[in-house]
Amino acid sequence: DTAVSQTPKYLVTQMGNDKSIKCEQNLGHDTMYWYKQDSKKFLKIMFSYNNKELIINETVPNRFSPKSPDKAHLNLHINSLELGDSAVYFCASSPGFHTQYFGPGTRLTVL
Amino acid sequence: QQQVKQSPQSLIVQKGGIPIINCAYENTAFDYFPWYQQFPGKGPALLIAIRPDVSEKKEGRFTISFNKSAKQFSLHIMDSQPGDSATYFCAVSRAGSYQLTFGKGTKLSVIP
Repeated sequence: DTAVSQTPKYLVTQMGNDKSIKCEQNLGHDTMYWYKQDSKKFLKIMFSYNNKELIINETVPNRFSPKSPDKAHLNLHINSLELGDSAVYFCASSPGFHTQYFGPGTRLTVL
Repeated sequence: QQQVKQSPQSLIVQKGGIPIINCAYENTAFDYFPWYQQFPGKGPALLIAIRPDVSEKKEGRFTISFNKSAKQFSLHIMDSQPGDSATYFCAVSRAGSYQLTFGKGTKLSVIP
């Protein structure tokens, strides 16, 4: 009965690889988000989808591509991984404006 | 330019003390001011939120004080407990916006 779930929990990979992180919410929310939290704990919005439509697209390298197959899922694909991509990535969802519910995070380590 | 400035970066208090975390913003279009709590290894979770039409909101031991003219809001934790040790984030959002902008976080440690 997890509200917002992410897989995998941990991801360790080599530079240059391509990887994906999956997110699912069972709250019936229309809006989903991806955040990056760096080693200093700073939370930065990356993308947001509302009913499968991209509504927020912050300044993020185009190696990062979100995909929303339906409004309950928002996946993040990262091409050509770099050392600086190492971080914790959080998925979140919201029923409308303002209140957001976060997933448990995916810790990505690029070697 | 940082849209919301949070201080202090870290805070250590004794059990039973009242830690206070402050946030300041510039844009008067913001109309929603939440606080999120994050435990190590977990995602942030909404703790309490306030709108600018009230100056204070309490939920259990957590209180938000809001000063519209100063463009500042604060989180107070009454009778703090070791279990309150976490990182706290303030955030701001505009009316009609899906976007939350977070402060840089405050790591709170409550010592027994």
